[in-house]
Amino acid sequence: GIQVEQSPPDLILQEGANSTLRCNFSDSVNNLQWFHQNPWGQLINLFYIPSGTKQNGRLSATTVATERYSLLYISSSQTTDSGVYFCAVYASGAGSYQLTFGKGTKLSVIP
Amino acid sequence: ETGVTQSPTHLIKTRGQQVTLRCSSQSGHNTVSWYQQALGQGPQFIFQYYREEENGRGNFPPRFSGLQFPNYSSELNVNALELDDSALYLCASSLGGRNTIYFGEGSWLTVV
Repeated sequence: GIQVEQSPPDLILQEGANSTLRCNFSDSVNNLQWFHQNPWGQLINLFYIPSGTKQNGRLSATTVATERYSLLYISSSQTTDSGVYFCAVYASGAGSYQLTFGKGTKLSVIP
Repeated sequence: ETGVTQSPTHLIKTRGQQVTLRCSSQSGHNTVSWYQQALGQGPQFIFQYYREEENGRGNFPPRFSGLQFPNYSSELNVNALELDDSALYLCASSLGGRNTIYFGEGSWLTVV
């Protein structure tokens, strides 16, 4: 099956700093989503981005499907950005109904 | 607020028991998926239901089973619980199989 790798596994930032999270995937994909999981376990959609670039406030994401990677940018980080960020993909092809997740990047933003 | 609700939020079961977890999908969504998330790992796909039929299953044994009802709500049943079944169980709904999906807050299951 498709492999999803995220880096770095852990990241500690000072409040106000910028960061880039990376997601590499091993095969072509139909869909790629970025999620933020808060300490209570809730997974919040950040972006649906199978290709191209999107921005939402201080967050933006870019997916280069032909090179099989996606990047999540966080600017002017805040303590509320802390949590685990997951990248997840649907592989291309019939019957591929499962969303495959990476292991996540754990972000800690300190005041 | 994703519009997907799960119950119960926390529960403790004994090894060998059975458990039923429930999920109400976002209004208008006809597809429900269930995921298991062990501590420190990403969620893993259990199965997906579309219009009351299972239409995709991950690498989980048959003691993990599910149902989807006409109103698109869903249940996950796990029989003969094992200690390794301790995890966060996440329900997600979507319109169709591979569109943007929205997760509930999860059910934390502890098996002792």
